[in-house]
Amino acid sequence: DAKTTQPNSMESNEEEPVHLPCNHSTISGTDYIHWYRQLPSQGPEYVIHGLTSNVNNRMASLAIAEDRKSSTLILHRATLRDAAVYYCILRSTTSGTYKYIFGTGTRLKVLA
Amino acid sequence: EPEVTQTPSHQVTQMGQEVILRCVPISNHLYFYWYRQILGQKVEFLVSFYNNEISEKSEIFDDQFSVERPDGSNFTLKIRSTKLEDSAMYFCASSFITSSGNTIYFGEGSWLTVV
Repeated sequence: DAKTTQPNSMESNEEEPVHLPCNHSTISGTDYIHWYRQLPSQGPEYVIHGLTSNVNNRMASLAIAEDRKSSTLILHRATLRDAAVYYCILRSTTSGTYKYIFGTGTRLKVLA
Repeated sequence: EPEVTQTPSHQVTQMGQEVILRCVPISNHLYFYWYRQILGQKVEFLVSFYNNEISEKSEIFDDQFSVERPDGSNFTLKIRSTKLEDSAMYFCASSFITSSGNTIYFGEGSWLTVV
C-alpha cells in the first residue's frame, strides 16, 4: 500500500472548522483515499472516502487535490466529541488486497 | 445502523491459557478481519478471511493464532497459548467489496489482558 504522511497532532477551537491534511505523493490511479477516526477506547470509525472528486457526507468533507498527491479532511464545526485520532489510508482496488494499513494518524485536540 | 459486535469486551487470562475472542460481523458482508492495537501503539492488521479461508495474514499472525467462522454469523480469533505481549485491544471488522473499493467497519474491540 502507498504511504501517507500526516501531522502528529493538531488543535482546534470548538465550533471552528478543522482542516486535517494528508500527503500521499506515491498514490496510484486506482487508490481510493479513506479517512477513519478513532475515539478514545473505541474501534476505528469510517468517516469518508473518495477517488478524485471532492466528497461530502454528514460527518465531513473530503477535498482531493487535482494531482491526487494530497487530500484534506474538513470538519466544518468541530465539537468536543470530534477529539480523536484521524487516519488517512489509501486503498488499492487492483492489488488484490483488501486490508487497511494504519499509520500513526493525526491526534486532534478540540479546545472548549 | 448495522454494526460489528464483539465479545467479551474485556478478558483477563493467565499466560499460557487459550483465549477465544468472538465477533458477529455485519450480516451481508463477505470479508472479515482481525486487527490489534497494543496500548499507545498503531492499529495493526492480523488477518483477513474470505470464502471460509484466510486470504491474507501478517507476520504477527503466527501458529499461535487461528480464525474460524463456525457458523453463518460468528467469526472467532483463537490464541492457543497466550503470552504477556498478546495483551492488546483486538478489533474485529467486516466489509462488502464493491467496484469502488471496500469500506471496513470495525467493532468496539475486545481488551485482552494477559497476566
